[in-house]
Amino acid sequence: RKEVEQDPGPFNVPEGATVAFNCTYSNSASQSFFWYRQDCRKEPKLLMSVYSSGNEDGRFTAQLNRASQYISLLIRDSKLSDSATYLCVVNEETGNEKLTFGTGTRLTIIP
Amino acid sequence: GAVVSQHPSRVICKSGTSVKIECRSLDFQATTMFWYRQFPKQSLMLMATSNEGSKATYEQGVEKDKFLINHASLTLSTLTVTSAHPEDSSFYICSATPGTLGTEAFFGQGTRLTVV
Repeated sequence: RKEVEQDPGPFNVPEGATVAFNCTYSNSASQSFFWYRQDCRKEPKLLMSVYSSGNEDGRFTAQLNRASQYISLLIRDSKLSDSATYLCVVNEETGNEKLTFGTGTRLTIIP
Repeated sequence: GAVVSQHPSRVICKSGTSVKIECRSLDFQATTMFWYRQFPKQSLMLMATSNEGSKATYEQGVEKDKFLINHASLTLSTLTVTSAHPEDSSFYICSATPGTLGTEAFFGQGTRLTVV
């Protein structure tokens, strides 16, 4: 079983639609959670951290469910520029910067 | 945000030769840096943890004698792919986390290695 699992997609959604991604992690002791965005042939960049209380940044909302060990990302009013691969990332130990990446979910916004 | 610079961005080499990739933290010190490899349509896979002033920690299945890591200063880690073969062709990315800025990891621009 993979440590961090994501639906690889692809998700092809029309511009303006709302899209949601889920991610599950296997280590219940995991401490920190993130969503990164990776454009084709580029390095990953942090989209947002995920907190237990849930957090929102503009059109993006991230939520964490520790009991079920899953993380979600919701994108509202999707834009063409949102097309990318979204990586679910987990840090399993406090004080250890090592990150575990999900396989990524590919999103394409259609005009 | 913090800046991590990786060089070269692209390299083509002949089979059997060695390639060195540099990863620099430009505006912070990094006692730990991480090296990842990403094959097409796959996620980043951690290869090793580079520790300043000590030996690198390699993930299971990664040959330490093939992927030499040196972290001689707080701002520079190097990955040398020795005796490269076509199956080593991949996208190699480094990352570092500036402790004062929390746990966000910053990534280098990546190096696309093609071994012919």
